[in-house]
Amino acid sequence: QKEVEQNSGPLSVPEGAIASLNCTYSDRVSQSFFWYRQYSGKSPELIMSIYSNGDKEDGRFTAQLNKASQYVSLLIRDSQPSDSATYLCAVSTFQGAQKLVFGQGTRLTINP
Amino acid sequence: GAVVSQHPSWVICKSGTSVKIECRSLDFQATTMFWYRQFPKQSLMLMATSNEGSKATYEQGVEKDKFLINHASLTLSTLTVTSAHPEDSSFYICSASGGGTQYFGPGTRLLVL
Repeated sequence: QKEVEQNSGPLSVPEGAIASLNCTYSDRVSQSFFWYRQYSGKSPELIMSIYSNGDKEDGRFTAQLNKASQYVSLLIRDSQPSDSATYLCAVSTFQGAQKLVFGQGTRLTINP
Repeated sequence: GAVVSQHPSWVICKSGTSVKIECRSLDFQATTMFWYRQFPKQSLMLMATSNEGSKATYEQGVEKDKFLINHASLTLSTLTVTSAHPEDSSFYICSASGGGTQYFGPGTRLLVL
């Protein structure tokens, strides 16, 4: 079983709709959770971090964490073509971003 | 946000040569830096954790004698790929830890002929 699992996609969403990205993890002692966006040929850039159960909102992005279900998600509201990228879920058993384990990423395409 | 630079951004070399990649945190001090490798259409795989002033910690399966890491200061870590071979061709990305977040450099694309 992979430590961090994501649906590789591709996930296609019409412009203006909500894109929902999901991630599950296997290590119950995981404490820190991150979503990164990676454009083709570029390095990842941090979108959201979440450490506690519940929702965390930042602009059009909402991260949701459910530690009991070992599940973390990212919602993108009002999707734009510029949101088209691969989204990487990363998990750490440490507080903060130490030794991240990445999922394989979900490729998201926003259709105009 | 914090800025991490890498140099060079891409390099082409002949098989058997060594390549050095630099990773710098430009506006913050990073006691810990990380080195990742990413093959096409795959996710990032952690190669090693680099701590300033001490030996790097390598992940299982990563040859420490082939991938030499030096973290001489709080703002600079280097990765040297020794005796590079075509199978070492990949996208090498460093990150620096600051304020509980990992900030990634722009990556170095290595092609070994």
